[in-house]
Amino acid sequence: QKEVEQNSGPLSVPEGAIASLNCTYSDRGSQSFFWYRQYSGKSPELIMFIYSNGDKEDGRFTAQLNKASQYVSLLIRDSQPSDSATYLCAVNANTGGFKTIFGAGTRLFVKA
Amino acid sequence: ETGVTQTPRHLVMGMTNKKSLKCEQHLGHNAMYWYKQSAKKPLELMFVYNFKEQTENNSVPSRFSPECPNSSHLFLHLHTLQPEDSALYLCASSQPSGSTDTQYFGPGTRLTVL
Repeated sequence: QKEVEQNSGPLSVPEGAIASLNCTYSDRGSQSFFWYRQYSGKSPELIMFIYSNGDKEDGRFTAQLNKASQYVSLLIRDSQPSDSATYLCAVNANTGGFKTIFGAGTRLFVKA
Repeated sequence: ETGVTQTPRHLVMGMTNKKSLKCEQHLGHNAMYWYKQSAKKPLELMFVYNFKEQTENNSVPSRFSPECPNSSHLFLHLHTLQPEDSALYLCASSQPSGSTDTQYFGPGTRLTVL
């Protein structure tokens, strides 16, 4: 069973701090990795994706991928109360199928 | 309209009812998906359609029956559901390209089975 594991949280950080969200996956054949944000009562929306080892930055967000360790993380700098949401890690094997595996999500709470 | 739309947004049904969920995408994507989201559980992929053809059926009970008449529309027909089927049902679409397959989600249908 291919799995994506996340700490359910809640992860609580003060406003302005760096929030670090982590994710591990079991399928070594995974090739693309996504972070989605889901506000309460809303549907998931893409924050960013990464498919090469290393860091990828987009504004206050940085995704980090380590395929050898089967680990992907999301850093949120200068956290804002509006960042409070559930963050879903998703992994796709990209082998011609259309199967993206999602983690259960980490709840993030940014205290003003 | 833009993006992915779903109707109805909320649905309450008895175990003997028959109802349908509708999804429409206005993004020109080729692939459409049904997911089930229950509290504190990962999103569960139910069905995938690519160019109207079903490519995944993730061991979903037959009381859920999908229909994809074209690349823009997706239905989920429901009959004789169980209370444990109460969840948020999300439709998504994507246009797989190279190393990426970003899912674009609709707002979801909150289903309650009594």
